[in-house]
Amino acid sequence: QSVLTQPPSVSGAPGQRVTISCTGSSSNIGAGYDVHWYQQLPGTAPKLLIYGNSNRPSGVPDRFSGSKSGTSASLAITGLQAEDEADYYCQSYDSSPYYVFGTGTKVTVL
Amino acid sequence: EVQLVESGGGLVKPGGSLRLSCAASGFTFSSYSMNWVRQAPGKGLEWVSSISSSSSYIYYADSVKGRFTISRDNAKNSLYLQMNSLRAEDTAVYYCATVMSSTWFDYWGQGTLVTVSS
Repeated sequence: QSVLTQPPSVSGAPGQRVTISCTGSSSNIGAGYDVHWYQQLPGTAPKLLIYGNSNRPSGVPDRFSGSKSGTSASLAITGLQAEDEADYYCQSYDSSPYYVFGTGTKVTVL
Repeated sequence: EVQLVESGGGLVKPGGSLRLSCAASGFTFSSYSMNWVRQAPGKGLEWVSSISSSSSYIYYADSVKGRFTISRDNAKNSLYLQMNSLRAEDTAVYYCATVMSSTWFDYWGQGTLVTVSS
């Protein structure tokens, strides 16, 4: 069962900016634990996209950015591209279960 | 290059058992904790189990506690998941994943599909 809540879907035209929210609680995000984001392209394994709320691993384009405030976090994609069409998951840490994921958001490029 | 390759998935009847393996390469396996994460068909990600680098600390999600056992062999750079008393709701792609720095999953394998059905 997912502990973090995300919108089921977001969409945008190429070049637009879209944001995905991730809402937790006082036992995970609100407790000060970092939020991380993963991108899952169709038929593939998840890939780390953002770690530590706002840091990008090497190779991730700078049009992906993350932020965190209170019990929520968000992922922004600026300059949306066709290749960004994928499922996106947030993830944090909790007392139990230890690692918690968001419900997932499907990004559609119109 | 970090590589994680899962194997051992397949079709099993309810109540049956299965053992998954994850072969790791491209990093110092014995230095990092390892995890299993699963994804039911068309559903989201669910953390299943974690094991520390020396196997001193082991954790399970409530949904699998008492039925699944995680283990590792650092000499063989391998991670395992023994799954017993399998249920239909355990049907999923099982991924092994590393936690190298803090609380995020740095690298993921390609996954292995487990189907529990009569």
